[in-house]
Amino acid sequence: DTGVSQDPRHKITKRGQNVTFRCDPISEHNRLYWYRQTLGQGPEFLTYFQNEAQLEKSRLLSDRFSAERPKGSFSTLEIQRTEQGDSAMYLCASSPPLAGGYNEQFFGPGTRLTVL
Amino acid sequence: GQQLNQSPQSMFIQEGEDVSMNCTSSSIFNTWLWYKQDPGEGPVLLIALYKAGELTSNGRLTAQFGITRKDSFLNISASIPSDVGIYFCAGLSNTGGFKTIFGAGTRLFVKA
Repeated sequence: DTGVSQDPRHKITKRGQNVTFRCDPISEHNRLYWYRQTLGQGPEFLTYFQNEAQLEKSRLLSDRFSAERPKGSFSTLEIQRTEQGDSAMYLCASSPPLAGGYNEQFFGPGTRLTVL
Repeated sequence: GQQLNQSPQSMFIQEGEDVSMNCTSSSIFNTWLWYKQDPGEGPVLLIALYKAGELTSNGRLTAQFGITRKDSFLNISASIPSDVGIYFCAGLSNTGGFKTIFGAGTRLFVKA
């Protein structure tokens, strides 16, 4: 059973450092989402990819954040010059092709980022 | 911007009781998704709804897509201790984009 996987599961970094997270979606899912979740809140949408194209970005995604999905398979989320306010759980989700008419999003286990 | 109001924020119930929670919005959605999240894990999809008025069940869980497309509810029947967790609703409007909005969650506590 190959669900969505994320790496690493936990990351502790010092303020000002750069971090990169990886997401591997369910195979054959061409749609991929990144979310951020802080304690006591629901996930907040960050960005959406369809294949390799980044089609939607939230205003939450400041210029220190960048996401890529170069070959339409795995995706990376990079945060540059991390700040303590970036501490959160970063979640990735994937969906089957839009033509199927289904919008279910299947989430990975998340990457917990702590910025000291 | 789009927002989902999810209620109640928390519920304390006795094992065996039925539970109901709902989400409302001022925006119209094409898809409603219901998730359960355990501490330190990603949300797990429970039910997906695609048509206004649609009523869908998954075991003891039943969810409905509101007629106005601005609301949805989730019912859990005969709750058991493993139902403990945080339940989230999410609305998706795939007209002009795929931004997905999540509610703040309903924290369910079940006493055996």
